[in-house]
Amino acid sequence: DAKTTQPNSMESNEEEPVHLPCNHSTISGTDYIHWYRQLPSQGPEYVIHGLTSNVNNRMASLAIAEDRKSSTLILHRATLRDAAVYYCILRVGNYGGSQGNLIFGKGTKLSVKP
Amino acid sequence: DVKVTQSSRYLVKRTGEKVFLECVQDMDHENMFWYRQDPGLGLRLIYFSYDVKMKEKGDIPEGYSVSREKKERFSLILESASTNQTSMYLCASSLIVFRRNTEAFFGQGTRLTVV
Repeated sequence: DAKTTQPNSMESNEEEPVHLPCNHSTISGTDYIHWYRQLPSQGPEYVIHGLTSNVNNRMASLAIAEDRKSSTLILHRATLRDAAVYYCILRVGNYGGSQGNLIFGKGTKLSVKP
Repeated sequence: DVKVTQSSRYLVKRTGEKVFLECVQDMDHENMFWYRQDPGLGLRLIYFSYDVKMKEKGDIPEGYSVSREKKERFSLILESASTNQTSMYLCASSLIVFRRNTEAFFGQGTRLTVV
């Protein structure tokens, strides 16, 4: 399975942008880049995903390198509620029965200071 | 809104008991997952199911089995509970759209304590 590498932890100040990096040098052409986050005492929640182009939604933006070997999750203005563990995951895009698997790494613990 | 419901939030069982953890999703998702989460070890996949009666082992299937008799329900079974199975258990589901895997939705988790 293709793997991702993320920093163990990062700190941010409230209301400042946060850039969470992820390396995935062994990504294949059919892998989508997914981001999830897990708030304290909750199950993970989906944040955003993309294939090649940068993506925006109401929660965050995803910037994908041209060679697709790295990506960055961008929170435009961090709030205290964004303090969570953020997971970057590669997921096979095309369904093929057992290829729907979803493997988590250790993620990045984001702390937000007031 | 998609809802993934786990039958219990907290559960205490005795060593050697057979334990059933139930998960139900209401959006006709093909894929369903069971994870356990332990401090310092992150989320580890126990089993994955991509269709009714279809299952695949994840990273740590030993001591567990699963059942998926209906599309909406995925059960995790601890055949003989042991103290090292004390953990937070998380269920998730995801949809296939135009033959593509989409985002997963998680339940709130079941904190199981085996004494």
